[in-house]
Amino acid sequence: DIQMTQSPSTLSASIGDRVTITCRASQSISSWLAWYQQKPGKAPKVLIYKASSLESGVPSRFSGSGSGTEFTLTISSLQPDDLATYYCQLYSIYPYTFGQGTKLEIK
Amino acid sequence: EVQLVESGGDLVQPGGSLRLSCAASGFTFSSYWMSWVRQAPGKGPEWVANINEDGSERHYVDSVKGRFTISRDNAKNSLYLQMDSLRAEDTAVYYCVRDPSGSGSYHNNWGQGTLVIVSS
Repeated sequence: DIQMTQSPSTLSASIGDRVTITCRASQSISSWLAWYQQKPGKAPKVLIYKASSLESGVPSRFSGSGSGTEFTLTISSLQPDDLATYYCQLYSIYPYTFGQGTKLEIK
Repeated sequence: EVQLVESGGDLVQPGGSLRLSCAASGFTFSSYWMSWVRQAPGKGPEWVANINEDGSERHYVDSVKGRFTISRDNAKNSLYLQMDSLRAEDTAVYYCVRDPSGSGSYHNNWGQGTLVIVSS
């Protein structure tokens, strides 16, 4: 099975900061990667699919890039509402696998 | 508006069985692949199983193969997960999710989840 590894596990940043989260796959997955945001007590919400496509309704400060084995999620200007845990997910190759998560804290 | 409402979660003893249901509305249910995703307490999500539009193709994560069965009833706009031989490690919130892009899709709509606790 393909392993998905996120870094960092925890990230502390200030409002207005540019934030980057990395996800690495143990082998090439082309662009079959999604990013989700999960707030406490809520279901995950998709932000990005196919590595760089922004899901409808998601603010444009979120962007994704990468292909093959290395991917990044970038928040261009951190907002208070972005406090959450972020997960990457491999899809289209079974078994679909999530990363272990990055908890984003606001300084 | 897409709505997915799970039910059936409960406290069950190890080795027991449970059937989860998901009522779908707000979209043409029979046109979409659907999945179950679970999340153990304090852990990240884990994809469990998916099923194609007419129920003829199903996939499972290895840890549930032979124990869990995903099914659907398009006439009732409902998705199901039959869980047998339950183990403590199956304890989780189980989400019903819609896969918007057919076979090999991410998940763009999630239910609120239903809690399954496997414990004696």
